[in-house]
Amino acid sequence: QKEVEQDPGPLSVPEGAIVSLNCTYSNSAFQYFMWYRQYSRKGPELLMYTYSSGNKEDGRFTAQVDKSSKYISLFIRDSQPSDSATYLCAMSVNDKIIFGKGTRLHILP
Amino acid sequence: NAGVTQTPKFQVLKTGQSMTLQCAQDMNHNSMYWYRQDPGMGLRLIYYSASEGTTDKGEVPNGYNVSRLNKREFSLRLESAAPSQTSVYFCASSEPGGGETQYFGPGTRLLVL
Repeated sequence: QKEVEQDPGPLSVPEGAIVSLNCTYSNSAFQYFMWYRQYSRKGPELLMYTYSSGNKEDGRFTAQVDKSSKYISLFIRDSQPSDSATYLCAMSVNDKIIFGKGTRLHILP
Repeated sequence: NAGVTQTPKFQVLKTGQSMTLQCAQDMNHNSMYWYRQDPGMGLRLIYYSASEGTTDKGEVPNGYNVSRLNKREFSLRLESAAPSQTSVYFCASSEPGGGETQYFGPGTRLLVL
């Protein structure tokens, strides 16, 4: 079983919809949970990170962690065409960071 | 602040040629990393440096060498390039204990023929 699993997509949704992106993991030792956004031909940029179960909100973005189910989610409200990108989940313990393979998201105008 | 910069942006090599990818950061971070990103494989760690003067292997170090020249600069060298090293290479930096907040450069696209 891979340490971090993420559906590669692509996921296409209409503008204004709520987007849900998900990852599962197997290592219960992971301490930090992150979401990175990567535009085409650019480097990944950190969107959000959290270290506890529950929700963390930042503008239109909400990160959710369920440690009991080993499941994390990123919700994007009022999605915009500018949100079209690849979203990578990542998890770390003791400075070791493991990335998911990324989900390609297309927001249709 | 420029953040993390990488040179070159794009390079074509022939099998067996050598080259060095350069990375520099101006955020005074101690830790620096080299990743490769391939379709369907995600980001994979090649080497990392927790501080000036130290380097450690990551998940896929074979065929690569690194040098932590000073606190700002971390280079990646391919001594004898192979087609399997065709990839996009990203450099990143972070504070110690701040592995969750890695800052990435724009990447170097390498094609080995």
